[in-house]
Amino acid sequence: EVQLVQSGAEVKKPGESLKISCKVSGYTFNSQWIAWVRQMPGEGLEWMGIIYPRDSDTRYSPSFQGQVTISADKSISTAYLQWSSLKASDTAMYFCARLLGGSGNRVDYWGQGTLVTVSS
Amino acid sequence: QSVLTQPPSAAGTPGQRVTISCSGSRSNIGTYGVSWYQQLPGTAPKLLIYDYNQRPSGVPDRYSGSKSGTSASLAISGLHSDDEADYYCAAWDSSLNAFYVLGTGTRVTVL
Repeated sequence: EVQLVQSGAEVKKPGESLKISCKVSGYTFNSQWIAWVRQMPGEGLEWMGIIYPRDSDTRYSPSFQGQVTISADKSISTAYLQWSSLKASDTAMYFCARLLGGSGNRVDYWGQGTLVTVSS
Repeated sequence: QSVLTQPPSAAGTPGQRVTISCSGSRSNIGTYGVSWYQQLPGTAPKLLIYDYNQRPSGVPDRYSGSKSGTSASLAISGLHSDDEADYYCAAWDSSLNAFYVLGTGTRVTVL
């Protein structure tokens, strides 16, 4: 059974750093893209970026380039999303998800979400 | 940033059919398959439809998808109260660095 299990909720202050995780099981981690999706309070889903764990090919949507860092550790089948200096506007729910490319492309499995709250 | 446009809301009474549109361009819907996701309040999104009209195992056939040119649609027939949720279209996009784009989302209300 494919599972994406995310780390727990975080409460941080502006300017602090943060790294949240997405532990994958049930398939070969290296073989599919992992995506990160943001959902701000009361808003829609936003595609942040993706990583291909086999070669760490990482791509960002323009709004998130330079704002976050996506990485992966193949040895423990875990993807990460990190911030070096959080802002109040980073307060949101963050989902990781598996992206299948090619014919029939789709996001077929999602993590449960990690709520990040940034407040002074 | 989203390049897939959906109406913000749709509504229907129990048993009715509701249709949600998703407007894109040649670089996404015009070339690649469209998928649809349902997000119930407080939960992660769930895949409903992919490749325009394919349903993953377990998704009832009340949900159906279609495409015409650079637009796609999701139809929900026999509307239930538990269909009340946000629905997002999505597609691969050859013009984007991060490959994929999500729609703006449509909230479906069961009256």
